[in-house]
Amino acid sequence: GIQVEQSPPDLILQEGANSTLRCNFSDSVNNLQWFHQNPWGQLINLFYIPSGTKQNGRLSATTVATERYSLLYISSSQTTDSGVYFCAVDGGDYKLSFGAGTTVTVRA
Amino acid sequence: GAVVSQHPSRVICKSGTSVKIECRSLDFQATTMFWYRQFPKQSLMLMATSNEGSKATYEQGVEKDKFLINHASLTLSTLTVTSAHPEDSSFYICSALPLAGPQETQYFGPGTRLLVL
Repeated sequence: GIQVEQSPPDLILQEGANSTLRCNFSDSVNNLQWFHQNPWGQLINLFYIPSGTKQNGRLSATTVATERYSLLYISSSQTTDSGVYFCAVDGGDYKLSFGAGTTVTVRA
Repeated sequence: GAVVSQHPSRVICKSGTSVKIECRSLDFQATTMFWYRQFPKQSLMLMATSNEGSKATYEQGVEKDKFLINHASLTLSTLTVTSAHPEDSSFYICSALPLAGPQETQYFGPGTRLLVL
């Protein structure tokens, strides 16, 4: 399957700071999604972004498919942004391969 | 829209018993649902693909006789952990792929925490 690497593994931010999370993948993908897993375990869809750039409020994402990476930007971070952020991809069969995640802690 | 539910949200059982977990798409139909497992502090790992009206397909290393999957309708898939043991304790999450519209985004259930004593 497609290998997915996320960095950094952990990120500690002061409230109001900006950050960038990275996702590298080993092969061409049909689908790339970013998720936020809250403390109760619920996965929340942030972006479906196999290519291009999207923005939703303080979050934005960019995928450069030809170079096999995606970036998730968090601006003006808030304590509610804390949690684990996952990048997941599939190569055309809808079977998602997840990265190991980035654990984000935002301190007030 | 696009809500997926799971029941139960949490279950504690004795070793050797069987546990059934339900995954329902509440406001859309899904011919395909997926079951994932997540151990503490780890990522999600795909266990199996559940297709309505046909047998599930299992990922390498997942015992099909231990994790029975039934996809009886376009809105319901069930995962039964048979003869559960402590090592089966985990967070089980399902997702559903909408039948209609662009099949881009899988929608995930809230997960079921299984603790086997």
